[in-house]
Amino acid sequence: KAGVTQTPRYLIKTRGQQVTLSCSPISGHRSVSWYQQTPGQGLQFLFEYFSETQRNKGNFPGRFSGRQFSNSRSEMNVSTLELGDSALYLCASSLEGGGHTEAFFGQGTRLTVV
Amino acid sequence: AQSVTQLGSHVSVSEGALVLLRCNYSSSVPPYLFWYVQYPNQGLQLLLKYTSAATLVKGINGFEAEFKKSETSFHLTKPSAHMSDAAEYFCADGSGNTGKLIFGQGTTLQVKP
Repeated sequence: KAGVTQTPRYLIKTRGQQVTLSCSPISGHRSVSWYQQTPGQGLQFLFEYFSETQRNKGNFPGRFSGRQFSNSRSEMNVSTLELGDSALYLCASSLEGGGHTEAFFGQGTRLTVV
Repeated sequence: AQSVTQLGSHVSVSEGALVLLRCNYSSSVPPYLFWYVQYPNQGLQLLLKYTSAATLVKGINGFEAEFKKSETSFHLTKPSAHMSDAAEYFCADGSGNTGKLIFGQGTTLQVKP
């Protein structure tokens, strides 16, 4: 069974630009969550999508958005990039989500904003 | 607010020694607790999860964790450390109704030869 696939693995963007990250969950999993990991703040929850609907959202500005497609693949978009957005963005896939079931993480996308 | 505390941001042990990584949770409802490991430039790999079926949970790579409600703890142990265990370890709680995992700050395990 294929794991969670995130693309691209590495990305360098300039301040003010926008970026889209992609996540393909494990086959059969309907929940996709996104986390931001930085040395200072650790792992912080961005949002969760379940069956194409955003079910939960963390405390991030509106520049951070996402969506989920009918095949459960998810994308995350960050507009008007800031230096502080440099981080490892992790996607997690689970059967039902909600924090109660096992979440399987992808390798992450390392975003560097210059 | 729900929180997870990992005592010790860095733990150093000798190869073959006992590994003990500490985790305390704050949830007042039955917790859903997990331990993850992260190797450099990698995502998180699930080591084990607490399901309330047993207080001692066995995971992969020889790790296990004991749930102690009275101490609100879920410490991770391994009897004998290997060099390959050097990584960062995260404890997480998914018990809230927010749909997210609350992570501890992580503990970096160093294994000395």
